[in-house]
Amino acid sequence: EVQLLESGGGLVQPGGSLRLSCAASGFTFSNYHMSWVRQAPGKGLEWVSAINGAGVTTYYADSVKGRFTISRDNSKNTLNLQLDSLRAEDTAVYYCAKRAFPNGGHFDTWGQGTLVTVSS
Amino acid sequence: EIVMTQSPATVSVSPGERATLTCRASQSVYSNLAWYQQKPGQAPRLLISGASTRATGIPARFSGSASGTEFTLTISSLQSEDSAVYYCQQYNKWPLTFGGGTKVEIK
Repeated sequence: EVQLLESGGGLVQPGGSLRLSCAASGFTFSNYHMSWVRQAPGKGLEWVSAINGAGVTTYYADSVKGRFTISRDNSKNTLNLQLDSLRAEDTAVYYCAKRAFPNGGHFDTWGQGTLVTVSS
Repeated sequence: EIVMTQSPATVSVSPGERATLTCRASQSVYSNLAWYQQKPGQAPRLLISGASTRATGIPARFSGSASGTEFTLTISSLQSEDSAVYYCQQYNKWPLTFGGGTKVEIK
C-alpha cells in the first residue's frame, strides 16, 4: 500500500525556520516527482513546491521562492521541505503528495498533513 | 500562471438529485485536469484524472467531462457521504494550480 506520512510541523515565530519531512512507502520512491501542497485554515489548496525523482530539478510557487527549499533523500525514501523566513501567511496544513507518473501527472496519493503555525 | 475558476462556490442538492460543478481554465490545459474531494479534517482524495477517468474505487455516480477550457464534474445521484469540498487542478504547466473549490451541501 502506498503511504505518505508527514512530520515536523509546529508553532514557530515570524522569521523563524522549520523543517518538514515526508516518509514514503509502498512504491519506488526515486522514480516519482513529489510535491508539497498547503492549505491555510478555512482556505483552498495551494501548490508550494515540487522535485523530480532524481532530486535534480525543483520548482517553487512565487509565494515561497527564495524562502523554502525542497529536497529528497532517495536512500531513505524521504521528502523534505525547509521553511525559512516564515511569515504569518505561511500558516497552513502542509501535505506531501505523489505524482501519478514518473514524469508528472495528477496527485494520486496524499499524506495526512502536518500543521505549521507562524505566530508570536 | 494558469488560473482555475470554479463555480458555483456552494451548491445545495437534495439526496438522489444531480450536482454539476464547473471549472474553467484561463488557457488550454488539454486533458491535464484532475478533480479531488476533500472532507473536513481529511486530506484531498483523487476522484478524476485526465478530465474524465475515474480513480480506482470511485463510484460510477462521479463523472468528468471537458469542452475546451471548461470542465465539469457531475455527481449523478447525490448521496449524503458526498458532502464535501471539490477542487479541480491543472497539471499541464508549472506552476500547478488549483481552483478555489466548490462546497457541496446536502439539502
